[in-house]
Amino acid sequence: DTGVSQDPRHKITKRGQNVTFRCDPISEHNRLYWYRQTLGQGPEFLTYFQNEAQLEKSRLLSDRFSAERPKGSFSTLEIQRTEQGDSAMYLCASSTGGANQPQHFGDGTRLSIL
Amino acid sequence: GENVEQHPSTLSVQEGDSAVIKCTYSDSASNYFPWYKQELGKRPQLIIDIRSNVGEKKDQRIAVTLNKTAKHFSLHITETQPEDSAVYFCAASKDRGSTLGRLYFGRGTQLTVWP
Repeated sequence: DTGVSQDPRHKITKRGQNVTFRCDPISEHNRLYWYRQTLGQGPEFLTYFQNEAQLEKSRLLSDRFSAERPKGSFSTLEIQRTEQGDSAMYLCASSTGGANQPQHFGDGTRLSIL
Repeated sequence: GENVEQHPSTLSVQEGDSAVIKCTYSDSASNYFPWYKQELGKRPQLIIDIRSNVGEKKDQRIAVTLNKTAKHFSLHITETQPEDSAVYFCAASKDRGSTLGRLYFGRGTQLTVWP
């Protein structure tokens, strides 16, 4: 068990480009969460999956954002037509069972928009 | 939705002293309260958590207390060491109703322990 892994660790792109991040949860964790963290703030919830089903999306997740977890294992988060305000650390977390189980975070993907 | 407030935003203590970080929450349905430690450039790490059926939990030098009536919970670190220096986040979530399972985080406390 190597923990939650995220790829890439850093992404620099020009405004208007599309980016995709990947998260591999701890094996057999059926819940997977995406959060966004900006400097000096705590992580903010974006969306989560129970197995392959996306059960909730935050209002922060505009229509430029889409997340998938096709086989209930790894997940991808795509941002289309990136904007300056999208610059942040994107964190993935996973947990077992239902709600209120400990969530374990990955190292995150730091996105910088030029 | 839930609103979690955390104080202080910065805390400096001498090595060996105790540190206390306090959080309040607004949703009385919240029933799970984890604390995370985040070192610069690293992932948030879960250090301790407490559920609403318990008033206090301790793990070596770290303890968390919960007052459901007042809707506040606190992190206590005793005998602080320089390696305790990091940003600490409190969070809250619930397992019923809408938004179940999502963590609402405070804004963090930068703890610095001076040798």
